[in-house]
Amino acid sequence: ELKVEQNPLFLSMQEGKNYTIYCNYSTTSDRLYWYRQDPGKSLESLFVLLSNGAVKQEGRLMASLDTKARLSTLHITAAVHDLSATYFCAVRNDRDDKIIFGKGTRLHILP
Amino acid sequence: NAGVTQTPKFQVLKTGQSMTLQCAQDMNHEYMSWYRQDPGMGLRLIHYSVGAGITDQGEVPNGYNVSRSTTEDFPLRLLSAAPSQTSVYFCASSSTRGQGQYGYTFGSGTRLTVV
Repeated sequence: ELKVEQNPLFLSMQEGKNYTIYCNYSTTSDRLYWYRQDPGKSLESLFVLLSNGAVKQEGRLMASLDTKARLSTLHITAAVHDLSATYFCAVRNDRDDKIIFGKGTRLHILP
Repeated sequence: NAGVTQTPKFQVLKTGQSMTLQCAQDMNHEYMSWYRQDPGMGLRLIHYSVGAGITDQGEVPNGYNVSRSTTEDFPLRLLSAAPSQTSVYFCASSSTRGQGQYGYTFGSGTRLTVV
């Protein structure tokens, strides 16, 4: 059974700082997704990572995937208050096509 | 506008009542799924479908039924509502073309309270 673990679950940081959110998963997969959710809202897709070594960047966010280590990272560079949100990673199980989410990382960026 | 439409947005049920949450998408997506979101639990998969006529159970399927008679619609039925089913429910769809290179498009959610 696929398990997806994110850490930290809560992160409070100052504007201008860098930080990384980690997403570990338990079975083989080469499809990993990152989503953002603002309070009271739905989720929006940020990145789709499809192969080992994949790296994608959008503004101050950069996501990478290491399928051998079963690890993805979401790196935040020079954080700004607008990035405050909850970030979820999700992994597609190759065996049964289920897409399983982590518990989310609630990011609070202090101005 | 293209997207995933969920209805209703809010619902209050009494214990033991049944209801159907509606989900429709107009993007010709093959893959559709239902999740529930509870505080501190992330999103948990209830049921999913890889195409019309095909459904399968997710992580927390008990108490819920689904069907997929058309590509566009994927309703979620609560058979006999229980307070433990109080949650926010999200429907999502994605294309399976290109080997899953597209992420989900999510509906706006249904906030369900069972009293």
